Amino acid sequence: SAVISQKPSRDICQRGTSLTIQCQVDSQVTMMFWYRQQPGQSLTLIATANQGSEATYESGFVIDKFPISRPNLTFSTLTVSNMSPEDSSIYLCSVERISGAYNEQFFGPGTRLTVL
Amino acid sequence: AQSVAQPEDQVNVAEGNPLTVKCTYSVSGNPYLFWYVQYPNRGLQFLLKYITGDNLVKGSYGFEAEFNKSQTSFHLKKPSALVSDSALYFCAVRDPLSGGYNKLIFGAGTRLAVHP
Repeated sequence: SAVISQKPSRDICQRGTSLTIQCQVDSQVTMMFWYRQQPGQSLTLIATANQGSEATYESGFVIDKFPISRPNLTFSTLTVSNMSPEDSSIYLCSVERISGAYNEQFFGPGTRLTVL
Repeated sequence: AQSVAQPEDQVNVAEGNPLTVKCTYSVSGNPYLFWYVQYPNRGLQFLLKYITGDNLVKGSYGFEAEFNKSQTSFHLKKPSALVSDSALYFCAVRDPLSGGYNKLIFGAGTRLAVHP
């Protein structure tokens, strides 16, 4: 399995501000993903981050609101911009790792964001 | 459209009794199916997966799941529940249209409560 760390683990922010979440993996991976888990809800994919290229965003998510960086094969950041209380969620980073004939996906511990 | 349904918000089981957490899916091709568990204040942990082969898949912590193609189901089971199994369980399916990488579609989650 992959060891994935996220910083910060939690934060409380004021509306209108921005927060950058970091994701660090213990070894090089090709694909990194960012998910959002709103309170009491399931996980929704925000975007896929490939090293050296623009992130690919899912429907309903835009780069201006959730800019992503992927400077190398072990690190990525997600910024939640101009936050509102509706952005209060757990944000999870995940990576894809080859496991036998299929790639498995492993998740970080998440960043719990509360926007006041 | 691809989707995953977990019809129960919560499942209550007495310790020592068998447990079942239900999951049904709808995908256009052959499904890749997964179960993840989320403990409080922690990220998602992989439990098991079905890619191909035997319909009964064994995973971590004594859990197993049975793939039923005719019923499009992938229910999670355990013969004897433990209080420590209390957590949030997510069923997920790989989107077969996602190309070469592992875009997962998650169910809404089922909270399992095991009572002493």
